[in-house]
Amino acid sequence: EVQLLESGGGLVQPGGSLRLSCAASGFAFRSFAMSWVRQAPGKGLEWVSTVGISGGKTYYADSVKGRFTISRDNSKNTVYLQVIRLRAEDTALYYCVKDRTPGYCPDGLCYEPQPLLFDSWGQGALVIVSS
Amino acid sequence: DIQMTQSPSTLSASVGDRVSITCRASQSVNSWLAWYQQKPGKAPRLLIYDASTLEDGVPSRFSGRRSGTEFTLTISSLQPDDFATYYCQHYNNYPGTFGQGTKVDIK
Repeated sequence: EVQLLESGGGLVQPGGSLRLSCAASGFAFRSFAMSWVRQAPGKGLEWVSTVGISGGKTYYADSVKGRFTISRDNSKNTVYLQVIRLRAEDTALYYCVKDRTPGYCPDGLCYEPQPLLFDSWGQGALVIVSS
Repeated sequence: DIQMTQSPSTLSASVGDRVSITCRASQSVNSWLAWYQQKPGKAPRLLIYDASTLEDGVPSRFSGRRSGTEFTLTISSLQPDDFATYYCQHYNNYPGTFGQGTKVDIK
């Protein structure tokens, strides 16, 4: 059974920083791109960031580019989201999500054939940005 | 960025009703369109991908259809477990934009 367990959320002042972690189990972690999707209180879903299977490729929403950094440690089955210069509008539940389709690395280069299609979600880490 | 427009925002229906939710993309996303269901306090659940393919374990009363850039999620006979919020999302390219959601509640 796929499990994604987020941690690291909390209350932080505007301009502050924190690091979210997502511990994954139940699947071949190193074969799947991983992403963060957030949901502000009472609002819809917003894709935040994706990291490819090797960690070499990263993608960010314009709203977080330059402030958020996604990474992964395939030896620990963990994906991270380092967030700095937090703003009130970053207040949200941050979900760790897994791609449905595995990637592959046939020749030293890695490919994710169908990114952004998410088949498993964690329960979320709540980040509140407030003074 | 591709925009996804869902309608209606809220849908009131009764058990047994046939309900449909529409999602329109601002430009072509091919068939790279997914539907998710979210219940209060829970994470979203993938229902349909590639516009019309049912995810494993999803009841057959759910179906998806594509017509150009317009996508439809249909529940053939609404069940008590189906009262939730539904989101479409394209995964044609980055960013994979979500629709704003459709809440299906009890009439």
